[in-house]
Amino acid sequence: GAVVSQHPSWVICKSGTSVKIECRSLDFQATTMFWYRQFPKQSLMLMATSNEGSKATYEQGVEKDKFLINHASLTLSTLTVTSAHPEDSSFYICSANDRAPYEQYFGPGTRLTVT
Amino acid sequence: AQKVTQAQTEISVVEKEDVTLDCVYETRDTTYYLFWYKQPPSGELVFLIRRNSFDEQNEISGRYSWNFQKSTSSFNFTITASQVVDSAVYFCALLTGGGNKLTFGTGTQLKVEL
Repeated sequence: GAVVSQHPSWVICKSGTSVKIECRSLDFQATTMFWYRQFPKQSLMLMATSNEGSKATYEQGVEKDKFLINHASLTLSTLTVTSAHPEDSSFYICSANDRAPYEQYFGPGTRLTVT
Repeated sequence: AQKVTQAQTEISVVEKEDVTLDCVYETRDTTYYLFWYKQPPSGELVFLIRRNSFDEQNEISGRYSWNFQKSTSSFNFTITASQVVDSAVYFCALLTGGGNKLTFGTGTQLKVEL
């Protein structure tokens, strides 16, 4: 149980375009979902926390207008990178809570390359 | 503020050697959780263990063992008889009792060679 999926697993887009990444909890309802970014050879950095039906809470330094997060249902959160630039190229990972905050399940990640 | 330090950036061992990955954490909370994750080249995080602050018992799972010492704020991870498939980046992480945000260490790249 407790599976989180992400789609797509990898994406290449041109500079200036927008790209949407989906995060789904497949067998549980996720009250909270998290989005992380990981640059090569670096750690995971939390970008934002989202709760179903409410606005996401962004970490300091993360541009909310650039990284749009929508948590429309208990099983789906989306991250849209707007007007992507090469510096946005990264590995984006989502995670979701089941009932307890210490039970956080990670998706397989999405590798974004902006050319 | 919470902090996790993994001082070892990269470790290389020969297969069948034992290896210990260090993790030191900082928090003022008395209730917290510690985690270890494995990230193979594919990128997907693999959950290895979770420990709460009230349970200092060491744990063994096959070739893996964990040593939790509150006195030194450490949660070290040992792989016994390492194998090439153990090659990955290993992250230690901290979750404090009052919140739901994981704080990750910088990771340790483990390379196991034949």
